[in-house]
Amino acid sequence: QITLKESGPTLVNPTQTLTLTCTFSGFSLSTTGVAVGWIRQPPGKALEWLALIYWDDDKRYSPSLKNRLTITKDTSKNQVVLTMTNMDPVDTATYYCAHRGMVRGDFEHWGQGTLVTVSS
Amino acid sequence: NFMLTQPHSVSESPGKTVTISCTRSSGSIANNYVQWYQQRPGSSPTTVIHEDNHRPPGVPDRFSGSIDSSSNSASLTISGLKTEDEADYYCQSHDSGNVVFGGGTKLTVL
Repeated sequence: QITLKESGPTLVNPTQTLTLTCTFSGFSLSTTGVAVGWIRQPPGKALEWLALIYWDDDKRYSPSLKNRLTITKDTSKNQVVLTMTNMDPVDTATYYCAHRGMVRGDFEHWGQGTLVTVSS
Repeated sequence: NFMLTQPHSVSESPGKTVTISCTRSSGSIANNYVQWYQQRPGSSPTTVIHEDNHRPPGVPDRFSGSIDSSSNSASLTISGLKTEDEADYYCQSHDSGNVVFGGGTKLTVL
């Protein structure tokens, strides 16, 4: 059974850096073809893809946010970490991590999401 | 990069059929697979269609997906609508490794 869970601060001050951790089980991020992504959703708005990291450490970022994002993995801890710099109130959203398997092209499994509010 | 455009909302009666479109702004819709996610209020998205027209286990065959190169769009069709189908639906594709989501469609079953 594959599970993912996001963790991190619920409140961030403007201009601060956000660090979120996705802790997963039921799969290995060293398995060929596997990837973990981050997606966010502002309240009442649409899903927005942020970043993706592959089993071979290839990394992809949203073109509109790439200057602010860093994604890393720790295979031994079964964790993926996303950092986002220079947080702004418009970055208030629920942040999800999701697993993309080696066979299908969709995000097959999602975490429950974590709401991050940016406010002073 | 390209955009995926969906209608903001659709509504239909129980038992009827509804189709939600997802139009790709540039590049061919056929070049990259399209997935569809259902998101109920307060829940994480779940896949209802992957790779254009494949249903994951447990998704009813009332859900089907297709692509149309002439309109450069993908479609999600839900037949025999049930009140439980009321949710937001998102299409998603990718290009050069980048992931793109559509803006979402709110389906109301009334």
